[in-house]
Amino acid sequence: GNSVTQMEGPVTLSEEAFLTINCTYTATGYPSLFWYVQYPGEGLQLLLKATKADDKGSNKGFEATYRKETTSFHLEKGSVQVSDSAVYFCALSSGGSNYKLTFGKGTLLTVNP
Amino acid sequence: DVKVTQSSRYLVKRTGEKVFLECVQDMDHENMFWYRQDPGLGLRLIYFSYDVKMKEKGDIPEGYSVSREKKERFSLILESASTNQTSMYLCASRTIAGTENTEAFFGQGTRLTVV
Repeated sequence: GNSVTQMEGPVTLSEEAFLTINCTYTATGYPSLFWYVQYPGEGLQLLLKATKADDKGSNKGFEATYRKETTSFHLEKGSVQVSDSAVYFCALSSGGSNYKLTFGKGTLLTVNP
Repeated sequence: DVKVTQSSRYLVKRTGEKVFLECVQDMDHENMFWYRQDPGLGLRLIYFSYDVKMKEKGDIPEGYSVSREKKERFSLILESASTNQTSMYLCASRTIAGTENTEAFFGQGTRLTVV
């Protein structure tokens, strides 16, 4: 079956530091890959996505590249801000007729001023 | 903007009560989902629905049922609430639109406490 493994948190960084959150997956077929973000007290919202190998998704300074050879979709940001403090979820959608999303366990990021 | 609305942000119920969590979406999405979110476990799929009156079990359906009588509304039912069902519950909806690339839209969540 499908599964997503992302690095365990929590991750604590200082403002302007470089961020990487690792995500690897197993899936049948050719999945679409997503990063969702959950700010405190809110539901999840889409941060970025990639639908085929070598695609790069980007949004709000975050980037992730779909690497089929390593089955990875690592999230990066060059300079984090306090407002980036949130929980980040890697997810995939693959195959079947109903396109369920499979999520990783989430990584809590705290950015200190 | 797509909106997914969950009827309550916070609920406190007693053990053994029957509990209804309601979710409404306004974008005519075919698929709707119920997840629960627990620390260290991430999001786990309870049930999903791919059409009116159609449903499929997710990874952790035990102790839950669902109802989808109208396309825009998807209800999660705890038949007899237990303390291990204390959790954050998230509803989501998604269009299939002939592709698997579409994003899911989430409600703000219902934090349920069973005492």
